Amino acid sequence: KAGVTQTPRYLIKTRGQQVTLSCSPISGHRSVSWYQQTPGQGLQFLFEYFSETQRNKGNFPGRFSGRQFSNSRSEMNVSTLELGDSALYLCASSSRTSGSNEQFFGPGTRLTVL
Amino acid sequence: GQQLNQSPQSMFIQEGEDVSMNCTSSSIFNTWLWYKQDPGEGPVLLIALYKAGELTSNGRLTAQFGITRKDSFLNISASIPSDVGIYFCAGRDSGGSNYKLTFGKGTLLTVNP
Repeated sequence: KAGVTQTPRYLIKTRGQQVTLSCSPISGHRSVSWYQQTPGQGLQFLFEYFSETQRNKGNFPGRFSGRQFSNSRSEMNVSTLELGDSALYLCASSSRTSGSNEQFFGPGTRLTVL
Repeated sequence: GQQLNQSPQSMFIQEGEDVSMNCTSSSIFNTWLWYKQDPGEGPVLLIALYKAGELTSNGRLTAQFGITRKDSFLNISASIPSDVGIYFCAGRDSGGSNYKLTFGKGTLLTVNP
């Protein structure tokens, strides 16, 4: 099985712009979770999508949003970028079946905000 | 919110030595996961634990789910240079259908050949 793929791998934006990141989960996985990773805060949960619905949400401002398509691919959008949004954005897919909490991560998108 | 304390923050060891790291939580977890992350890559799942007291091995790696369900540890035996990286613990609490994972801050492991 192919792993989780994320595009683009690297992105440079300026303050005030908006950005869209994409994630394709492992084939058959219907849950996609997004995380922000920074040196200071570590891995922080953004939100989870399952069957095209947001199921869980972390403590991030409304500038961070996402969606999931019928093929389980997910996108994350950040509007009005701030310098502090520079981070590695990771998505993780899961089958979300009973008894399985394993999440498998993609390589991440490195976002730099100038 | 939930807190995960992972220790140590960093370790510098000689090749061949054994390594131990642990995580403690402020609440009960029903799942503990251990990941390793190499520079510029996403975390890779090493071991998943689902039952209190469970001891699971993956090659030279062994992890245990603490009896209190508030802690877990990871041991690496006979370390080699490719073990270098950041190791994260992650847990899922026992409440509802929440699939959110809470992560520790990581343990940076350096192995001197």
